[in-house]
Amino acid sequence: KQEVTQIPAALSVPEGENLVLNCSFTDSAIYNLQWFRQDPGKGLTSLLLIQSSQREQTSGRLNASLDKSSGRSTLYIAASQPGDSATYLCAVDDSSYKLIFGSGTRLLVRP
Amino acid sequence: NAGVTQTPKFRVLKTGQSMTLLCAQDMNHEYMYWYRQDPGMGLRLIHYSVGEGTTAKGEVPDGYNVSRLKKQNFLLGLESAAPSQTSVYFCASTGRSDILISNQPQHFGDGTRLSIL
Repeated sequence: KQEVTQIPAALSVPEGENLVLNCSFTDSAIYNLQWFRQDPGKGLTSLLLIQSSQREQTSGRLNASLDKSSGRSTLYIAASQPGDSATYLCAVDDSSYKLIFGSGTRLLVRP
Repeated sequence: NAGVTQTPKFRVLKTGQSMTLLCAQDMNHEYMYWYRQDPGMGLRLIHYSVGEGTTAKGEVPDGYNVSRLKKQNFLLGLESAAPSQTSVYFCASTGRSDILISNQPQHFGDGTRLSIL
């Protein structure tokens, strides 16, 4: 059974710092891995989707990497801003069109 | 751009009452999903649908039923609500491509906050 783990559960950094969020999964047979952002009281917004054949995806200050063999993905946020404060969730598509989610990392960027 | 709309946004029920949560999407998506989100547990899949008239069980289907009579709507029903079903419920949808079928992100609604007393 696929399990997705995110470490740390919470992170507090000063504005301007570069940071890395971690996601690990137990079964390397995945179709893709997705990173989402969730603001308090809101739904999830897709940030990046990495296909199983890719090693990384970039969008603005965000860069996500994927290492299937080791069951790991990282989300790199450059030059963090207070507006980046949110919960970040990763999820893997296990080839059955369903997503298995981690429990998220709650990020606070202090001004 | 409406995207995925969930109705209602909040609801309080008494144990044993029934209710239906409505999800509507205007993106012509084939796949629709119902999740629940509980503190510290991430999102868990309740039921999903791969097309109009089809439904399937997810990870935590007990106590819930669903229907997909129209492509744009996916209904989640609680026949006899229990306190353990207090949660935030999210609906999501994604499109279908014969080539890129698993490579499109899911679009989420803003959630329904359900409390059962």
